[in-house]
Amino acid sequence: GESVGLHLPTLSVQEGDNSIINCAYSNSASDYFIWYKQESGKGPQFIIDIRSNMDKRQGQRVTVLLNKTVKHLSLQIAATQPGDSAVYFCAEKAGGSYIPTFGRGTSLIVHP
Amino acid sequence: EAGVTQFPSHSVIEKGQTVTLRCDPISGHDNLYWYRRVMGKEIKFLLHFVKESKQDESGMPNNRFLAERTGGTYSTLKVQPAELEDSGVYFCASSLLGGPGTIYFGEGSWLTVV
Repeated sequence: GESVGLHLPTLSVQEGDNSIINCAYSNSASDYFIWYKQESGKGPQFIIDIRSNMDKRQGQRVTVLLNKTVKHLSLQIAATQPGDSAVYFCAEKAGGSYIPTFGRGTSLIVHP
Repeated sequence: EAGVTQFPSHSVIEKGQTVTLRCDPISGHDNLYWYRRVMGKEIKFLLHFVKESKQDESGMPNNRFLAERTGGTYSTLKVQPAELEDSGVYFCASSLLGGPGTIYFGEGSWLTVV
C-alpha cells in the first residue's frame, strides 16, 4: 500500500550544525505535507507545512523542501540547538482527504 | 487561546478494565481526530469526527474501542475491556473545517495496560 516513510530513524548532530531530516512518500495524490516535532512527553507540535504547488518554504530556522519528481520531502534546521532534540514526523494528505498520514519518525539528538 | 486538551495525561489500568479518555478540541474546530502511537512506531490514525458525526473510523482497531462526540464539542474514547496491546499514547487533534489543513495536537493520554 502507499505510505510515508523516513530514511533514518536517528540523527545525531553537534550544536550549531545544520540538520537535515528526510522523508519519502509514495502516494502520488498527496498534495499537502506537514512536519511535526514531538518532544519527550508532549504531543506533536506543528513546525511547517508545504503544498504541492511549491518546492520550498522557509520558516524561522527551518526550511522544507519538496521534490515531487522523486516523492521526497526534507526538513532543514539551521544552527541546530539542544532544544531541537525531539522526534520529527512528516505527514502527508491527499487532495480531498482530511486525514494526514504519518511516518515512523526520526529522532534528532543534538549534542552540546 | 486554549489548545487541544486531553485527560487523563497518564493512566495505568489492569487488563480487562475500562478506560475513558477525553479530548477538548480548540474552540471552533469542527474537525476532531484520534490517533495512537505505540512505542517506537508511527502515529496511526484511529478516527475522524466532523462536528458530532463520525466521518472516518477506518483506523479503529476493533470493537473494544468506542469514540463519541455528543454535541460536537468534546470527545471521548473508551477502551473496554483493555488489552495489553492497547498500551500507547493516544493523541487527539483538531482543525478548522475548510481551513488550511493545519492540525493541532493535544499532549496525549499515555495509557499503560498491565
